[in-house]
Amino acid sequence: QSVLTQPPSVSAAPGQRVTISCSGGSSNIGNNFVSWYRQVPGTPPKLLIYDNNKRPSGIPDRFSGSKSGTSATLGINGLLTGDEADYHCGAWDSSLSAWVFGGGTKLTVL
Amino acid sequence: QVLLVESGGGVVQPGESLRLSCAASGFIFSSYGFHWVRQAPGKGLEWVAFVRYDGSSEYYADSLKGRITISRDNSKNRLYLQMSSLRLEDTAVYYCAKARSIWNGLAPGDWGQGTLVTVSS
Repeated sequence: QSVLTQPPSVSAAPGQRVTISCSGGSSNIGNNFVSWYRQVPGTPPKLLIYDNNKRPSGIPDRFSGSKSGTSATLGINGLLTGDEADYHCGAWDSSLSAWVFGGGTKLTVL
Repeated sequence: QVLLVESGGGVVQPGESLRLSCAASGFIFSSYGFHWVRQAPGKGLEWVAFVRYDGSSEYYADSLKGRITISRDNSKNRLYLQMSSLRLEDTAVYYCAKARSIWNGLAPGDWGQGTLVTVSS
């Protein structure tokens, strides 16, 4: 059971927008920054979003992050078939003194 | 560019010990904190441990406390994970990940390719 809760799967058509939610609590998302990672099976995760809504260099602006209260959302505009991957959220948990991940969301581009 | 290369994985029997290593290059190693994160086959990411940039503090997943030790050698640009009393459920790919931000940054940024640990009798 993950500390952060994500939907197991989401799907959308190419060109559409999809959002992936990440729900936590006051000790993690509520008071700390959220990061998002993209992972193609068999490869390491790649940082997509950090500090709730910042993109590392090289990440297209089709990817966006937001946070409200104890929940965070990853948005992907203009879906491409190449966006199919697993997406993970993460944050520091001040009560656990631990980094926590969500269970991951599998994105299918139909 | 940032390069993180894990090593030390392999097949071990339950109860045995193993030390993983992560060789870093392309940045000032001593300025960043580091994580170990693992992923069991077909499962999500599980955080294992974190060590601050100067080694002053270490943090561990509750489920692994007492069986693992994270350490670093800033003179060798290396990160380590000592694991003992290995169990079948420790089978996973173990990744080292550099904190995204310098000094007290926490979020994993760059990741290595991982090393596979298989615990099997």
